[in-house]
Amino acid sequence: DQQVKQNSPSLSVQEGRISILNCDYTNSMFDYFLWYKKYPAEGPTFLISISSIKDKNEDGRFTVFLNKSAKHLSLHIVPSQPGDSAVYFCAARRDFGNEKLTFGTGTRLTIIP
Amino acid sequence: ETGVTQSPTHLIKTRGQQVTLRCSSQSGHNTVSWYQQALGQGPQFIFQYYREEENGRGNFPPRFSGLQFPNYSSELNVNALELDDSALYLCASRDQGASSYNEQFFGPGTRLTVL
Repeated sequence: DQQVKQNSPSLSVQEGRISILNCDYTNSMFDYFLWYKKYPAEGPTFLISISSIKDKNEDGRFTVFLNKSAKHLSLHIVPSQPGDSAVYFCAARRDFGNEKLTFGTGTRLTIIP
Repeated sequence: ETGVTQSPTHLIKTRGQQVTLRCSSQSGHNTVSWYQQALGQGPQFIFQYYREEENGRGNFPPRFSGLQFPNYSSELNVNALELDDSALYLCASRDQGASSYNEQFFGPGTRLTVL
C-alpha cells in the first residue's frame, strides 16, 4: 500500500523556469511533510518541510504548498538551476518527532540549460 | 562536523548468507534509523535505535536486526539473505535531544547485491 505517491517519475524543465513537483498521500494521520533531494552516490539531503497546520512554507528558491483537503503537496523551485537536477523524494511522518518517514518513489528532475 | 558515514560502499553476497552493514552517526546525534531503498523505489523504514534500544520498526522480518553502540555508531544485520534484499541501505541520524527539531541526516548508503 503506497501511502505517499509521486506519480511523475521524471520531469524536464528549462533553466530559469519554475519546476513543480507533486506528491499525494492517503494517510490522514500524516501531519508533517518533507522534501529530500538525492544526487547519485549520495544519501538524500533534507530540503524543506511543512507542518500540517500550515499551507505554505518558503525557503529561498524553494516553496512547499500543502492542500490537506486534497491530501496533496507540491514543491516549487523558482528559478530552476542546473544544480537542481536530482531525484526528489516526498516524505511524510506521523507525529512531530516520530522518526519513521514514509517516502514516495521519487521524481527525477532534469534542468535543461 | 563530520557527516554520516557508512561502510562498505558496495557488497556482493549469495543467497542464504549473512551480512553486517555499518554506520557512523553524525557527531552529537543519538538516534539512528535504517532504510532500504530498492531500485526505482523510495526508501523504506526498517527500524530506529535510540540510546542503544530499538525504538520503532517498519514492516521487515526478524532476520533484519540491528545494534547501536555507546558511541552512537550502528550496525544492520541481515540473516538468510534473499534475492529481494538487493537494495541500497541507508542510515540516517538525528539528535533527539536538540532544543529545536532537526531533520534526519542520511549517509551515502551501502549497495548490497544478493546473487
